[in-house]
Amino acid sequence: QQQVKQSPQSLIVQKGGISIINCAYENTAFDYFPWYQQFPGKGPALLIAIRPDVSEKKEGRFTISFNKSAKQFSLHIMDSQPGDSATYFCAANGYSTLTFGKGTMLLVSP
Amino acid sequence: KAGVTQTPRYLIKTRGQQVTLSCSPISGHRSVSWYQQTPGQGLQFLFEYFSETQRNKGNFPGRFSGRQFSNSRSEMNVSTLELGDSALYLCASSSSGGNTEAFFGQGTRLTVV
Repeated sequence: QQQVKQSPQSLIVQKGGISIINCAYENTAFDYFPWYQQFPGKGPALLIAIRPDVSEKKEGRFTISFNKSAKQFSLHIMDSQPGDSATYFCAANGYSTLTFGKGTMLLVSP
Repeated sequence: KAGVTQTPRYLIKTRGQQVTLSCSPISGHRSVSWYQQTPGQGLQFLFEYFSETQRNKGNFPGRFSGRQFSNSRSEMNVSTLELGDSALYLCASSSSGGNTEAFFGQGTRLTVV
């Protein structure tokens, strides 16, 4: 049973554009929602995270939007740059266990 | 502050052998979690240790085990290796687990031949 569904699987965005990745979850016990960025050959790096009592969090070019009633959250990357090309994972924490989405491969074309 | 350190970075083992992977968490972090990453299944939770006690365990066979030492360093062991165990094994550390920030190491790439 996939508890966190992530879409799209892959995404191509022009430099300077907005990248949007969406996730949906089922378990209402989840209490923390981080996003990770992973480059080939590297471990996932924590990008930004949100707790369910907040509807939006912004850090630099990265914004998480959170809709508790719909059980959905999304990552927006503003002014996308070629250096942002990586795989992005959403995750949800429940009882000290992170459940990950399947990942989105983002390619930002110059 | 040093990050999460995993050793070794790469391993090649033969079916039936056993392997031990090591993880040194960020200084001061007491929670260590292990994940398996494969192209087909993505990132899957193996287990979490806090203060030398296993708090949570994922849906993996008993061939996968782990432990944590008093200095918070952790090891995971896989016995009777199968071809399907080939994966990137990732360790994440956090101050107390739960809904706190978790930081990953670079992983150990295990290849079973």
